[in-house]
Amino acid sequence: DAGITQSPRHKVTETGTPVTLRCHQTENHRYMYWYRQDPGHGLRLIHYSYGVKDTDKGEVSDGYSVSRSKTEDFLLTLESATSSQTSVYFCAISDGGRSGALAKNIQYFGAGTRLSVL
Amino acid sequence: AQKVTQAQTEISVVEKEDVTLDCVYETRDTTYYLFWYKQPPSGELVFLIRRNSFDEQNEISGRYSWNFQKSTSSFNFTITASQVVDSAVYFCALIEGAQKLVFGQGTRLTINP
Repeated sequence: DAGITQSPRHKVTETGTPVTLRCHQTENHRYMYWYRQDPGHGLRLIHYSYGVKDTDKGEVSDGYSVSRSKTEDFLLTLESATSSQTSVYFCAISDGGRSGALAKNIQYFGAGTRLSVL
Repeated sequence: AQKVTQAQTEISVVEKEDVTLDCVYETRDTTYYLFWYKQPPSGELVFLIRRNSFDEQNEISGRYSWNFQKSTSSFNFTITASQVVDSAVYFCALIEGAQKLVFGQGTRLTINP
Protein backbone atom coordinates (compact mmCIF):
# COMPACT_ATOMS: atom_id res chain seq x y z
CA ASP A 1 0.00 0.00 0.00
CA ALA A 2 1.15 3.52 -0.81
CA GLY A 3 2.17 5.35 2.37
CA ILE A 4 -0.54 7.98 2.57
CA THR A 5 -2.11 9.13 5.82
CA GLN A 6 -5.02 11.50 6.05
CA SER A 7 -5.97 13.20 9.27
CA PRO A 8 -8.44 13.52 10.76
CA ARG A 9 -10.50 10.67 9.37
CA HIS A 10 -13.76 12.17 10.59
CA LYS A 11 -14.64 15.70 11.57
CA VAL A 12 -17.81 17.53 12.47
CA THR A 13 -17.66 21.29 12.56
CA GLU A 14 -19.91 24.31 12.50
CA THR A 15 -20.54 26.73 9.67
CA GLY A 16 -18.04 29.58 9.66
CA THR A 17 -15.23 27.79 11.46
CA PRO A 18 -11.85 27.15 9.85
CA VAL A 19 -10.89 23.56 9.11
CA THR A 20 -7.56 22.08 8.05
CA LEU A 21 -7.14 18.60 6.65
CA ARG A 22 -3.72 17.01 6.45
CA CYS A 23 -2.24 14.58 3.98
CA HIS A 24 1.08 12.96 4.76
CA GLN A 25 3.05 10.70 2.41
CA THR A 26 6.14 8.58 2.87
CA GLU A 27 6.74 7.85 -0.83
CA ASN A 28 8.60 11.05 -1.71
CA HIS A 29 6.26 11.57 -4.66
CA ARG A 30 6.30 14.92 -6.39
CA TYR A 31 2.58 15.31 -7.01
CA MET A 32 -0.12 15.55 -4.36
CA TYR A 33 -3.83 16.16 -4.86
CA TRP A 34 -6.99 16.94 -2.96
CA TYR A 35 -10.35 15.66 -4.25
CA ARG A 36 -13.84 15.76 -2.91
CA GLN A 37 -16.41 13.04 -3.48
CA ASP A 38 -20.11 13.80 -3.58
CA PRO A 39 -23.04 11.64 -4.70
CA GLY A 40 -23.67 11.99 -8.41
CA HIS A 41 -20.38 13.78 -9.05
CA GLY A 42 -17.71 11.15 -8.68
CA LEU A 43 -14.44 12.69 -7.53
CA ARG A 44 -13.58 16.25 -8.38
CA LEU A 45 -10.19 17.88 -8.09
CA ILE A 46 -9.91 20.77 -5.62
CA HIS A 47 -6.21 21.65 -5.74
CA TYR A 48 -2.99 19.90 -6.54
CA SER A 49 0.72 20.40 -5.94
CA TYR A 50 3.60 19.63 -8.27
CA GLY A 51 6.34 20.40 -5.75
CA VAL A 52 7.12 22.21 -2.53
CA LYS A 53 5.33 25.57 -2.58
CA ASP A 54 4.02 24.84 -6.10
CA THR A 55 0.26 24.48 -6.24
CA ASP A 56 -2.53 24.99 -8.73
CA LYS A 57 -6.30 25.06 -8.77
CA GLY A 58 -8.55 22.26 -9.81
CA GLU A 59 -12.16 22.11 -10.91
CA VAL A 60 -13.78 23.08 -7.59
CA SER A 61 -11.25 25.29 -5.80
CA ASP A 62 -13.51 28.10 -4.55
CA GLY A 63 -13.56 28.24 -0.75
CA TYR A 64 -10.41 26.14 -0.38
CA SER A 65 -6.73 26.91 -0.02
CA VAL A 66 -3.72 24.61 0.16
CA SER A 67 -0.15 24.69 1.29
CA ARG A 68 2.85 22.47 0.80
CA SER A 69 5.91 23.46 2.80
CA LYS A 70 7.45 19.98 2.77
CA THR A 71 7.43 17.21 0.18
CA GLU A 72 5.59 14.88 2.51
CA ASP A 73 2.76 17.15 3.67
CA PHE A 74 -0.12 18.74 1.76
CA LEU A 75 -2.68 20.72 3.74
CA LEU A 76 -6.19 21.62 2.66
CA THR A 77 -7.84 24.53 4.47
CA LEU A 78 -11.43 25.62 4.50
CA GLU A 79 -11.12 29.19 5.75
CA SER A 80 -14.79 29.45 6.72
CA ALA A 81 -16.60 26.17 6.34
CA THR A 82 -20.03 26.07 4.72
CA SER A 83 -22.63 23.30 4.60
CA SER A 84 -21.91 22.82 0.87
CA GLN A 85 -18.43 21.66 1.85
CA THR A 86 -19.82 18.64 3.64
CA SER A 87 -18.17 15.84 1.70
CA VAL A 88 -15.62 13.07 1.73
CA TYR A 89 -12.16 14.39 0.98
CA PHE A 90 -9.46 12.26 -0.57
CA CYS A 91 -5.78 12.95 -0.88
CA ALA A 92 -3.78 11.31 -3.66
CA ILE A 93 -0.13 11.10 -4.62
CA SER A 94 1.65 10.41 -7.89
CA ASP A 95 5.15 10.24 -9.21
CA GLY A 96 3.92 12.51 -11.96
CA GLY A 97 4.77 10.40 -14.95
CA ARG A 98 8.48 10.81 -15.22
CA SER A 99 9.65 10.05 -18.71
CA GLY A 100 11.07 6.69 -19.50
CA ALA A 101 10.45 3.23 -18.18
CA LEU A 102 9.85 4.38 -14.62
CA ALA A 103 6.92 6.56 -15.50
CA LYS A 104 3.78 5.37 -13.82
CA ASN A 105 1.44 8.33 -13.71
CA ILE A 106 -0.75 6.41 -11.30
CA GLN A 107 -2.48 8.25 -8.47
CA TYR A 108 -2.76 6.41 -5.17
CA PHE A 109 -5.34 7.52 -2.69
CA GLY A 110 -5.53 7.94 1.04
CA ALA A 111 -8.36 6.49 3.09
CA GLY A 112 -10.42 9.70 3.00
CA THR A 113 -11.72 12.22 5.51
CA ARG A 114 -15.44 12.51 6.14
CA LEU A 115 -16.27 16.14 6.92
CA SER A 116 -19.65 17.32 8.12
CA VAL A 117 -20.36 21.05 8.34
CA LEU A 118 -23.45 21.76 10.43
CA ALA B 1 -11.95 19.71 -22.34
CA GLN B 2 -11.61 16.15 -21.21
CA LYS B 3 -14.66 14.26 -20.05
CA VAL B 4 -15.44 10.75 -18.87
CA THR B 5 -18.92 9.27 -19.07
CA GLN B 6 -20.10 6.19 -17.24
CA ALA B 7 -23.68 5.94 -18.38
CA GLN B 8 -24.54 3.01 -16.12
CA THR B 9 -25.31 4.44 -12.70
CA GLU B 10 -26.15 1.12 -11.07
CA ILE B 11 -25.91 -2.50 -12.15
CA SER B 12 -27.19 -5.50 -10.25
CA VAL B 13 -26.45 -9.09 -11.26
CA VAL B 14 -26.52 -12.51 -9.73
CA GLU B 15 -23.28 -14.12 -8.67
CA LYS B 16 -21.36 -15.92 -11.43
CA GLU B 17 -22.82 -13.77 -14.17
CA ASP B 18 -20.49 -11.80 -16.40
CA VAL B 19 -20.86 -8.03 -16.27
CA THR B 20 -19.42 -5.21 -18.36
CA LEU B 21 -18.99 -1.65 -17.13
CA ASP B 22 -18.93 0.96 -19.86
CA CYS B 23 -16.66 3.99 -20.05
CA VAL B 24 -16.59 6.57 -22.83
CA TYR B 25 -14.13 9.44 -22.82
CA GLU B 26 -13.49 12.69 -24.66
CA THR B 27 -10.10 14.27 -25.13
CA ARG B 28 -8.35 16.43 -27.68
CA ASP B 29 -4.91 15.09 -26.86
CA THR B 30 -3.24 12.25 -28.69
CA THR B 31 -1.34 11.27 -25.54
CA TYR B 32 -3.41 10.36 -22.53
CA TYR B 33 -3.88 7.69 -19.86
CA LEU B 34 -7.01 5.85 -18.84
CA PHE B 35 -7.63 4.26 -15.46
CA TRP B 36 -10.09 2.14 -13.55
CA TYR B 37 -10.46 2.39 -9.79
CA LYS B 38 -12.57 0.32 -7.41
CA GLN B 39 -14.24 1.73 -4.31
CA PRO B 40 -15.54 -1.08 -2.07
CA PRO B 41 -18.07 -0.42 0.70
CA SER B 42 -15.21 0.33 3.09
CA GLY B 43 -14.60 3.52 1.10
CA GLU B 44 -11.01 3.40 -0.03
CA LEU B 45 -10.07 3.84 -3.69
CA VAL B 46 -8.14 0.96 -5.17
CA PHE B 47 -6.19 1.31 -8.41
CA LEU B 48 -7.00 -1.48 -10.90
CA ILE B 49 -5.41 -0.64 -14.23
CA ARG B 50 -3.72 2.04 -16.30
CA ARG B 51 -3.69 2.11 -20.09
CA ASN B 52 -1.89 4.66 -22.25
CA SER B 53 -3.28 5.95 -25.51
CA PHE B 54 -0.68 4.16 -27.61
CA ASP B 55 -1.44 0.72 -26.28
CA GLU B 56 -4.69 -0.71 -27.58
CA GLN B 57 -4.03 -4.25 -26.48
CA ASN B 58 -6.73 -5.70 -24.33
CA GLU B 59 -5.66 -6.83 -20.91
CA ILE B 60 -6.77 -9.71 -18.75
CA SER B 61 -6.04 -10.13 -15.07
CA GLY B 62 -7.75 -13.14 -13.58
CA ARG B 63 -11.50 -12.56 -13.83
CA TYR B 64 -11.01 -8.94 -14.93
CA SER B 65 -10.50 -7.81 -18.49
CA TRP B 66 -10.37 -4.43 -20.17
CA ASN B 67 -11.22 -3.52 -23.76
CA PHE B 68 -9.69 -0.28 -25.03
CA GLN B 69 -10.96 0.98 -28.40
CA LYS B 70 -9.70 4.35 -29.61
CA SER B 71 -12.07 4.28 -32.58
CA THR B 72 -15.05 4.51 -30.25
CA SER B 73 -13.24 6.32 -27.37
CA SER B 74 -14.19 3.55 -25.01
CA PHE B 75 -12.41 1.70 -22.23
CA ASN B 76 -14.78 -0.98 -20.98
CA PHE B 77 -14.25 -3.27 -18.00
CA THR B 78 -15.59 -6.82 -17.82
CA ILE B 79 -15.81 -9.03 -14.76
CA THR B 80 -16.21 -12.69 -15.59
CA ALA B 81 -17.96 -15.05 -13.19
CA SER B 82 -18.74 -12.24 -10.78
CA GLN B 83 -18.48 -12.73 -7.03
CA VAL B 84 -20.09 -10.94 -4.09
CA VAL B 85 -16.69 -9.40 -3.24
CA ASP B 86 -16.81 -7.56 -6.57
CA SER B 87 -19.61 -5.40 -5.23
CA ALA B 88 -18.29 -1.84 -5.26
CA VAL B 89 -18.42 1.46 -7.06
CA TYR B 90 -16.14 1.47 -10.08
CA PHE B 91 -14.67 4.64 -11.52
CA CYS B 92 -13.16 5.23 -14.91
CA ALA B 93 -10.75 8.17 -15.17
CA LEU B 94 -8.59 10.01 -17.69
CA ILE B 95 -5.36 12.00 -17.47
CA GLU B 96 -4.04 14.24 -20.19
CA GLY B 97 -1.33 16.85 -19.99
CA ALA B 98 -1.08 18.36 -16.56
CA GLN B 99 -1.42 15.28 -14.37
CA LYS B 100 -5.02 16.00 -13.42
CA LEU B 101 -7.36 13.06 -13.23
CA VAL B 102 -10.90 13.49 -14.48
CA PHE B 103 -13.30 10.89 -13.14
CA GLY B 104 -16.54 9.54 -14.44
CA GLN B 105 -19.48 9.54 -12.07
CA GLY B 106 -19.00 5.91 -11.20
CA THR B 107 -21.03 2.72 -11.59
CA ARG B 108 -22.36 1.02 -8.49
CA LEU B 109 -22.13 -2.73 -9.03
CA THR B 110 -24.07 -5.07 -6.78
CA ILE B 111 -23.48 -8.80 -6.97
CA ASN B 112 -26.28 -10.77 -5.36
CA PRO B 113 -25.69 -14.25 -3.99
